[in-house]
Amino acid sequence: DTGVSQDPRHKITKRGQNVTFRCDPISEHNRLYWYRQTLGQGPEFLTYFQNEAQLEKSRLLSDRFSAERPKGSFSTLEIQRTEQGDSAMYLCASSLNQGPQIGEELFFGEGSRLTVL
Amino acid sequence: GENVEQHPSTLSVQEGDSAVIKCTYSDSASNYFPWYKQELGKGPQLIIDIRSNVGEKKDQRIAVTLNKTAKHFSLHITETQPEDSAVYFCAASTKNDYKLSFGAGTTVTVRA
Repeated sequence: DTGVSQDPRHKITKRGQNVTFRCDPISEHNRLYWYRQTLGQGPEFLTYFQNEAQLEKSRLLSDRFSAERPKGSFSTLEIQRTEQGDSAMYLCASSLNQGPQIGEELFFGEGSRLTVL
Repeated sequence: GENVEQHPSTLSVQEGDSAVIKCTYSDSASNYFPWYKQELGKGPQLIIDIRSNVGEKKDQRIAVTLNKTAKHFSLHITETQPEDSAVYFCAASTKNDYKLSFGAGTTVTVRA
């Protein structure tokens, strides 16, 4: 399978615990995005990387959230001291940026569902 | 930032009928408008997109129209089939800012 893969698919944790999600993008893709999706809503942008550089972070990404893409390949999203409001689906997407153009297709993984008790 | 509104939130159609979903956007600099389909337990998947330099695009039973003046775009699905049942999201992005702003989604149910 050469699509975007995310791990774990489901995570149940207690409030106050730390969790980490991993995303493996499509191999030749240089851009990687994290989105959050709550029930009945569309995905909300959290952050994105161009290779290993984190270029933008949403105000939704509080200081309890940190994302890395150390070698420009896989990425991790860590949430510290989880709160019940963090319960959501965390989606990773990747794309191939080929220079200035109008729009580029994002390929999404199947998501990591977080439940904070 | 960009604000995308999507209507209706739910849509039930008889198999074989057409389905239309409408979206509006706020940022006149937006120039890329994709539509994603999300099935239960899966991530969104691109089904069609349109760029600001065209007004309409068609791919088999799916078509999208764009009205830049009114800042709205629509998805049309003709001859609907049960496998079209899913949640559909519209989205928009601006030039040189590739992050997408999504609508809240439309749950489409095709009745056999």
